[in-house]
Parts: sequence; C-alpha cells; structure tokens
Amino acid sequence: IAGITQAPTSQILAAGRRMTLRCTQDMRHNAMYWYRQDLGLGLRLIHYSNTAGTTGKGEVPDGYSVSRANTDDFPLTLASAVPSQTSVYFCASSDSRSMMNTEAFFGQGTRLTVV
Amino acid sequence: AQTVTQSQPEMSVQEAETVTLSCTYDTSESDYYLFWYKQPPSRQMILVIRQEAYKQQNATENRFSVNFQKAAKSFSLKISDSQLGDAAMYFCAYRSYVMKTSYDKVIFGPGTSLSVIP
Repeated sequence: IAGITQAPTSQILAAGRRMTLRCTQDMRHNAMYWYRQDLGLGLRLIHYSNTAGTTGKGEVPDGYSVSRANTDDFPLTLASAVPSQTSVYFCASSDSRSMMNTEAFFGQGTRLTVV
Repeated sequence: AQTVTQSQPEMSVQEAETVTLSCTYDTSESDYYLFWYKQPPSRQMILVIRQEAYKQQNATENRFSVNFQKAAKSFSLKISDSQLGDAAMYFCAYRSYVMKTSYDKVIFGPGTSLSVIP
C-alpha cells in the first residue's frame, strides 16, 4: 500500500541518548516534512525538504537534524534527547509540483517519551 | 511569516446538528492553499477539504463546506448533520503557492477538539 511509513511507532528514551526517527515514502513526492504535535500547540514544523539534497529549518529546529539523501527517506535525528522533546512526531510528504494534489500526506506518527 | 489561528480549543455539537469551526490566518501572499485536516483518536491525519485562494467559490465535500473570506483572511469549516464519527481534533492549515516561492511549508493551527453528543 502506497504511503508513508514511520518507525518506531513509540519509544521511551533516556535523556542524553541519540535517537533517529525513520520516515520512508513510496509516492515519489519531492517535498517532505517533520512535525511535532503537542497539546494546545497543534503541529509545529521542525524541518522540511523541498527536494533530495536540500533541507530547511521550520519553527522549532533546535535539537533536531535531518538529511535527505534520496527522494524516499527523510530521517530525523535527536543528537542528545531532552525531556522537552517528549512529543508525537509526524512525518509528511507532498508533491509540490502538482497543481491538483497539493495536500500533505502523513505517516502514523511516533510517540517519543524522553525520561 | 505565515501564521494560522484557531480560537476555539474545544467545541461540541449535538448529533445531526450543524457546527462551524473557525480559522484565521495571516499572510502577505496572494496565492495559497488552505486545508482542514481531521485527526481522530487513532492519530491518523485525514484531509477533510481543500481551498485554493484564487477560487472564489467555497469548497464543498459532502457534509463539509467552508466559508472562505479572503479579504478577512478567514477560513471556517461547517459540518452539517453531525455524526458520532465526526468527533476528532480538527486542524486548519496553510500552504504557499509553491510555484512562486523558493520554499515549501505547510503551517498548522493549534487545533479544535470537536465532541459530538448523542
């Protein structure tokens, strides 16, 4: 089934540890995004990528890094996790070259708890 | 920078009745897209409806319709004949008209939690 796959689904992580959240899409979308969802704040953009090889910072990029080595994969790395990074993380993708299908498609989310 | 505001953290509606969720946004751009997403307890993000800013006609998808007021930068969602399955978090979202920009971001509001009362 075409779509976006995130892994893991949930994770409990000790503070100070390094963690990579994986995201893969098979729709050949050029644009990909990482959001964090926190109660009362909605979805806030962490990083985005318009095309393979390029990335950009969103609203809340501090403490996170991304890479876009190819079209399909867009991993998010927490270099040294802190409790304030406890959140639900969503990966999304879209085809910004399309005039018709302009919406973002989402993965199922990763619930991350930093203790 | 663009921002999206949803002033109603929580709303409730009686089953079969109509409810309107509010959304306002701030932008200096003239071309853009607006969306409403639904997030049920399953956490899945589901597109409800989309509106292109260059279209004057309000978008409609079955029981869901929008009231798009471009000058007022307002984009409300009306749900008619509410059903129990409509209970969810609803997010308003903004996207630039990417052909005219060098970036591609989708910006979300804080969300409105909708309860449907049987």
